Amino acid sequence: DGGITQSPKYLFRKEGQNVTLSCEQNLNHDAMYWYRQDPGQGLRLIYYSQIVNDFQKGDIAEGYSVSREKKESFPLTVTSAQKNPTAFYLCASNPYRGRVMDQPQHFGDGTRLSIL
Amino acid sequence: SQQGEEDPQALSIQEGENATMNCSYKTSINNLQWYRQNSGRGLVHLILIRSNEREKHSGRLRVTLDTSKKSSSLLITASRAADTASYFCATDADGGATNKLIFGTGTLLAVQP
Repeated sequence: DGGITQSPKYLFRKEGQNVTLSCEQNLNHDAMYWYRQDPGQGLRLIYYSQIVNDFQKGDIAEGYSVSREKKESFPLTVTSAQKNPTAFYLCASNPYRGRVMDQPQHFGDGTRLSIL
Repeated sequence: SQQGEEDPQALSIQEGENATMNCSYKTSINNLQWYRQNSGRGLVHLILIRSNEREKHSGRLRVTLDTSKKSSSLLITASRAADTASYFCATDADGGATNKLIFGTGTLLAVQP
């Protein structure tokens, strides 16, 4: 079955440590996205990528970094510069059809990150 | 910036009743989408309505869109305990100027058996 796989499901970060969240899709989608969700809140966009080797900052990119070396993969690194990383992180993808966002996004089941 | 805002923030109903959630947005849109999120899981797409559509149905779901009021509603008829989840609206950001969505804060629906 096609879908998005996020790993790990739970992740703990120590002070001063960088951690990387994995996101892999086999839907052949061009566009991929990372969102942060805080308790009882909506989703806020961290980074997105519309094509391999290209990505753009979202609304809350500070303290995060990404890469897009392969179409299937869009890992997110939470750096030590992100002082409040505790949240639920969601990865999504959709076919890229140009500027109009008229396609549903497909989501993984998230990674819950906590500080030790 | 917050584009979509759902109302109410939380809703509790009995099984068999209808549930209505509202979403308001601020800028012009090309389309509006509704998603569902079960606790601790990712979002699942429910329905997309385009700006030139006024109403759309999918099973027990009915979505309306009023672009003059910049608002949309999601109606779930004959609700079931399994409908318990958070529901989010999402709009294409900047009137479609960029390939991204802006999500609202969600409505938490609890359906009591």
